[in-house]
Amino acid sequence: GEDVEQSLFLSVREGDSSVINCTYTDSSSTYLYWYKQEPGAGLQLLTYIFSNMDMKQDQRLTVLLNKKDKHLSLRIADTQTGDSAIYFCAERAGANNLFFGTGTRLTVIP
Amino acid sequence: DADVTQTPRNRITKTGKRIMLECSQTKGHDRMYWYRQDPGLGLRLIYYSFDVKDINKGEISDGYSVSRQAQAKFSLSLESAIPNQTALYFCATSRNRDAGELFFGEGSRLTVL
Repeated sequence: GEDVEQSLFLSVREGDSSVINCTYTDSSSTYLYWYKQEPGAGLQLLTYIFSNMDMKQDQRLTVLLNKKDKHLSLRIADTQTGDSAIYFCAERAGANNLFFGTGTRLTVIP
Repeated sequence: DADVTQTPRNRITKTGKRIMLECSQTKGHDRMYWYRQDPGLGLRLIYYSFDVKDINKGEISDGYSVSRQAQAKFSLSLESAIPNQTALYFCATSRNRDAGELFFGEGSRLTVL
């Protein structure tokens, strides 16, 4: 079955870059996603990458995919206090459902 | 107003009680989902529905049931609540075509004593 793993916590200083990592096991994953959960709220889609891509950039966000190692990362440049949240990676294997990782709680220190 | 609305937002109940969590959406999406979130475990899928006549079990359906009353409504029931069902429950929706983009409600926090 699908298994998606992330570190639970990450702390960075405001203005630094944050890198959140994720590993997954299903080699048939077609899309991989990053979701953000702010305190007291549901998850919101941040960005996604198709499995035949290595990198995707969207403003301060850079997604890197190493399909051989089944490793996904999200880099946030110039991290701000408003970026403090829990970040979930998720994989979509097949047509239907997403499988979420455990979530990484990012704390930005002013 | 939120596109995906969950009620109640918070509920405290006792072991053995029946509980229903309700979800309604104004996005016009066919697909609806119930997830539970536990610290350190992420989100796990309980049930999902691709249309009114389609209900499917997720990873952790034991102890739960669902009803899709209409395209816009999907409710989750705990017939006899137990303490390890204490969690944060999320309803989500998606379009058929972009099934990876889920739209979440704000969550229902359930505590079973």
